[in-house]
Amino acid sequence: NAGVTQTPKFRVLKTGQSMTLLCAQDMNHEYMYWYRQDPGMGLRLIHYSVGEGTTAKGEVPDGYNVSRLKKQNFLLGLESAAPSQTSVYFCASSYTTSMRNTEAFFGQGTRLTVV
Amino acid sequence: KQEVTQIPAALSVPEGENLVLNCSFTDSAIYNLQWFRQDPGKGLTSLLLIQSSQREQTSGRLNASLDKSSGRSTLYIAASQPGDSATYLCAAQQAGTALIFGKGTTLSVSS
Repeated sequence: NAGVTQTPKFRVLKTGQSMTLLCAQDMNHEYMYWYRQDPGMGLRLIHYSVGEGTTAKGEVPDGYNVSRLKKQNFLLGLESAAPSQTSVYFCASSYTTSMRNTEAFFGQGTRLTVV
Repeated sequence: KQEVTQIPAALSVPEGENLVLNCSFTDSAIYNLQWFRQDPGKGLTSLLLIQSSQREQTSGRLNASLDKSSGRSTLYIAASQPGDSATYLCAAQQAGTALIFGKGTTLSVSS
């Protein structure tokens, strides 16, 4: 079982460039999440999805867009990258709260640097 | 809005000591609470999940408790080892939303 896979693992962008981070899970989870982790700030929620075709904003959504066209994939887009978006990005997934085991599983992270 | 707080932010103990990490949350209407471990430069590893109907969960030397009424969870680590050195994160989840994380407790166990 691959679990949660993030692509790419590392990326350097120039200010103003765009990119898409891909998160794929093979556990048939309904919920998927994108977080960013910065020193001293902990993990902050960017966007999340409670099912295919649905998305919702988290704590720090500005500058990011997401899409969940397929249940197994959750894409995070940066339309015009800024140095403030330099961070480590984590994707996670879990079952809905109607299931017995709602444990969340995380990807290995994407280290993004915007210069 | 749910807020999760972890105290202390950092903790140093000698090997063999038993220790407790604290996690508090402001909204008691949670569905579950999860404890994670993160090593430097690495991803998150799930340690224990406590469903809202449960009071505690155990895995090896780890025991996590949940008291929804007081908005608190604790992670007890018995007989600490240098390999336990890491950052420990707790996260609370409410129905229909995402996990909200505390900022973590960085544990250092010296031999």
